[in-house]
Amino acid sequence: KAGVTQTPRYLIKTRGQQVTLSCSPISGHRSVSWYQQTPGQGLQFLFEYFSETQRNKGNFPGRFSGRQFSNSRSEMNVSTLELGDSALYLCASSLVSPSDTEAFFGQGTRLTVV
Amino acid sequence: QQPVQSPQAVILREGEDAVINCSSSKALYSVHWYRQKHGEAPVFLMILLKGGEQKGHDKISASFNEKKQQSSLYLTASQLSYSGTYFCGTDSGNTPLVFGKGTRLSVIA
Repeated sequence: KAGVTQTPRYLIKTRGQQVTLSCSPISGHRSVSWYQQTPGQGLQFLFEYFSETQRNKGNFPGRFSGRQFSNSRSEMNVSTLELGDSALYLCASSLVSPSDTEAFFGQGTRLTVV
Repeated sequence: QQPVQSPQAVILREGEDAVINCSSSKALYSVHWYRQKHGEAPVFLMILLKGGEQKGHDKISASFNEKKQQSSLYLTASQLSYSGTYFCGTDSGNTPLVFGKGTRLSVIA
């Protein structure tokens, strides 16, 4: 069965621009979580979606937003990009919740803000 | 709130053992362990639930002390393939899964 697919794999953006990242979870999985990974900070939780509803949100500014579609695919958007937003963005797919069962991570999108 | 992992990094020779610790300031419902190899996605190792027993996965096992809000990951007779960054994730019940900063493990021949 297909794994978690994140697109694009790499992005280079300029400060002030906005960006949209996409995540297609494993078929049948209804929960999608997003994490920001930077050196030395580990995996910082952004938000979690389940059945098109945001179930949890991390401690990130409002410039970070997301949504989930009826087919469970999810997107996250970052507006007014800052240099500090450069990171690897990972999404994790779970049947119901990553807190209850194994989560499957995608390869991530490497965002570079210049 | 992010759990705290220790040590931050460790270097082992093949065959040596290691322990990675994870602690939280909040009461925990479950602890999750993942391993991420360089350039790859994190991969699930195991979940430890409140009230559950110690788990094992080949020569990698873990314990969960609910009262101390701590978990430890034990790697026995380490192999080169164990190299990577280990993350613990914690859940306090109806909360998102939050991860620590990771422990970088390097196994050398």
